Amino acid sequence: AQKITQTQPGMFVQEKEAVTLDCTYDTSDPSYGLFWYKQPSSGEMIFLIYQGSYDQQNATEGRYSLNFQKARKSANLVISASQLGDSAMYFCAMRVVGGTSYGKLTFGQGTILTVHP
Amino acid sequence: DAMVIQNPRYQVTQFGKPVTLSCSQTLNHNVMYWYQQKSSQAPKLLFHYYDKDFNNEADTPDNFQSRRPNTSFCFLDIRSPGLGDAAMYLCATSRGGADGYTFGSGTRLTVV
Repeated sequence: AQKITQTQPGMFVQEKEAVTLDCTYDTSDPSYGLFWYKQPSSGEMIFLIYQGSYDQQNATEGRYSLNFQKARKSANLVISASQLGDSAMYFCAMRVVGGTSYGKLTFGQGTILTVHP
Repeated sequence: DAMVIQNPRYQVTQFGKPVTLSCSQTLNHNVMYWYQQKSSQAPKLLFHYYDKDFNNEADTPDNFQSRRPNTSFCFLDIRSPGLGDAAMYLCATSRGGADGYTFGSGTRLTVV
């Protein structure tokens, strides 16, 4: 079974500062994908960044980067230069490829990020 | 633009009165998923379809059913909603395998 753990229920950051949101995962499958999503209060799930288990480089997308440490089974999200609009719930999620799961996504409990001016 | 559309955005239903939530997609994706997300919790997968192949999660209550009449549409039926079924319901699509996901904006269900 797959498990995703986000140990920070809430995080605070000053505008323009960087922040790291933690995520650890557990799976015995060698092929998997890790995702980060942002969910504002309106409820939609916004894709931020993806890391495949065989990717050699850490993923980056604009102000978002993923600190992937495979041996430690961690996939932390780094947001640089925080903006007020970054205040939201952030979810780490994992998909295991293969089998009959058709790629279902398992989510962590989420971290609420608040950006202060 | 290709997208996933959920209707309605907000739904109020009476305790015990059947309700149907709908999801449509213009992406022609094979897989459609329904997630339930209660307040301040992680989304929880209820079931998913790969084409017409239905996959129910083991802990999804019998009160929840789903239909996929064609590639574009998928419905979530709650036969007898209880107060505990109040939640955000998220629909997502994917081509399956290692592909990414596209989420709809969700339907927020209130049970009175």
